[in-house]
Formats: sequence, C-alpha cells, structure tokens
Amino acid sequence: AQSVTQPDIHITVSEGASLELRCNYSYGATPYLFWYVQSPGQGLQLLLKYFSGDTLVQGIKGFEAEFKRSQSSFNLRKPSVHWSDAAEYFCAVAISGGYNKLIFGAGTRLAVHP
Amino acid sequence: EAGVTQFPSHSVIEKGQTVTLRCDPISGHDNLYWYRRVMGKEIKFLLHFVKESKQDESGMPNNRFLAERTGGTYSTLKVQPAELEDSGVYFCASSQDGRTQYFGPGTRLTVL
Repeated sequence: AQSVTQPDIHITVSEGASLELRCNYSYGATPYLFWYVQSPGQGLQLLLKYFSGDTLVQGIKGFEAEFKRSQSSFNLRKPSVHWSDAAEYFCAVAISGGYNKLIFGAGTRLAVHP
Repeated sequence: EAGVTQFPSHSVIEKGQTVTLRCDPISGHDNLYWYRRVMGKEIKFLLHFVKESKQDESGMPNNRFLAERTGGTYSTLKVQPAELEDSGVYFCASSQDGRTQYFGPGTRLTVL
C-alpha cells in the first residue's frame, strides 16, 4: 500500500534560519506530489506540486521542493524562515492516472523563534 | 473567485445524534473530495465525487456515514448516529482537473 512518511513531528527554527522538511513516499511509480500548509485556524493551503518535468519546483511564500526519484523523497525547503511560517505542513501523494485521492503524511508542526 | 467553503465551522453534538456537514466547492469543479483527520492521526480520504456520482467511496468508515452531492454542486456528509470516535476535522476539497485539490477550512466535529 502507498504511504507517506514525514519523520519530524515537530521542528523549531529561529527566524531567518533555513528550513528543510522531509517527506518520503512508498509507491512503485512516480506519483503526483504535493505540499500543503495549515496555519492556525485556517484550512489546508497548497504550497506547491510536482507532476513531471523539472524536479525542483517553486511554490508560494518562497518555498521550494525537490523530487528525488532515487530516494523516493520530496523535501520542502525555504532559505529564510519568517515568523508567519509557523504552521503545520503536510506532504501528500496521489497515484497518477488513478482516482487521485490524496495520501497524507502525519504532518510536521513548525515553530519559529524570534 | 470564492474558494471551497464548509459549514458549520464547528459542531458539538451528543453521542447518538445526527450531524450534517456541508461543502460548497469552487464553481465549475466537477471533482469533490471528503477527508477526515481524527486527533493525532493522518488526514484520511473518505470519498470522491465526480459531478453527482460517487467515484470512490473506499475510505468511508461505515454505514453511519452518508455522502450526497445533489445536482453535482454542493455536497453533504451526514453522520447518523454519531459516535465518540467520529470526532475530528472534516475537510472538503475540490478539483477541476482531478489532480490539484483545493481545500476548504474544515469542520471541527466534537461528539460528547
């Protein structure tokens, strides 16, 4: 069965520091890959997505993610974190060509220290 | 353009009662999905509509859950009778192309 692993439940960084959130998936082929963010009191907002092509994708709010087929990973990065980035981040995959239901990781809660 | 909306934002009910959650997708989106996150767990898929038809309902936990999508527009998810383990946040998402899903703010359901 397909699965998504986000190894870090909680991460704390200082404002201005760089950030990398890890995501690994288990699936035989290349799925569609997504990162969503949920800020306090808000719904899930799409940060970025990967379907095919260039393995480095740019998203909103200065985020980027890199797809590495050999590692089955889709890690999210940001060079300089802002206090407003404190939120919960979810990696998700969908089976390409299927019904496209999303399979989510457990989420990583990010805290930002001033 | 309005996003996905969900009503109510919060619902607190007693065990055994009935609750109906509503989702209005982005206009023109034929694909509509329901997901649920129970406390401390992953967000889990419940079901997928294409227009008014159920495309995939493999994630529905049991027959206490009934989803409908009248006329291919808004959707409702009814839980009857509600149990304690049904507590969680219910998310709705819609998609135009069946790949990129846009989520609503969620409905937090508490069953006492």
